[in-house]
Amino acid sequence: EPEVTQTPSHQVTQMGQEVILRCVPISNHLYFYWYRQILGQKVEFLVSFYNNEISEKSEIFDDQFSVERPDGSNFTLKIRSTKLEDSAMYFCASSEWTGDYEQYFGPGTRLTVT
Amino acid sequence: DQQVKQNSPSLSVQEGRISILNCDYTNSMFDYFLWYKKYPAEGPTFLISISSIKDKNEDGRFTVFLNKSAKHLSLHIVPSQPGDSAVYFCAASLRGGADGLTFGKGTHLIIQP
Repeated sequence: EPEVTQTPSHQVTQMGQEVILRCVPISNHLYFYWYRQILGQKVEFLVSFYNNEISEKSEIFDDQFSVERPDGSNFTLKIRSTKLEDSAMYFCASSEWTGDYEQYFGPGTRLTVT
Repeated sequence: DQQVKQNSPSLSVQEGRISILNCDYTNSMFDYFLWYKKYPAEGPTFLISISSIKDKNEDGRFTVFLNKSAKHLSLHIVPSQPGDSAVYFCAASLRGGADGLTFGKGTHLIIQP
């Protein structure tokens, strides 16, 4: 069964450093998403991406964040200058265009900012 | 701003019985609702969804009921199995789910033998 994959599974970085989280969505899917879950809190939407541009973003997704689909398979989330409060699980998701959009999630990347 | 609320942090059910997980929402513009199951250190796994034009959707042991007037939905699992023990998230969306999902805080379901 096709699945969303994410790398790395765990990333440790120092405050102020740039990180890139990578995702490979399900191959025939057209919509891509990033979410995060801070420990003990709920899953929060960051951004959606369709047709090579941002479709929607939340207020969390400020200028420190960017997304890119550098080739036909990868979808990345970049955090330019990490802060302690960016420590969280980051989930990538994708969905196909069928009229109803079930979003399928990857296993997540645990980002720890020290 | 809790637009999607799951008021029960945990629920304990005996194996073989029915599990009922509840979810309330406040935004009447939501038109698509989903349930996800999550194990520790894994991503949410899609279970079942329902469009706002329906009041029930069934898939095997899982049934979701939607009461739009009450802004309430529920997930029924019958019969409950040990492997169902996980955190269950209710999520809602605009535009049929194409937009970002708004999640509840989750309910930890524990199936007891």
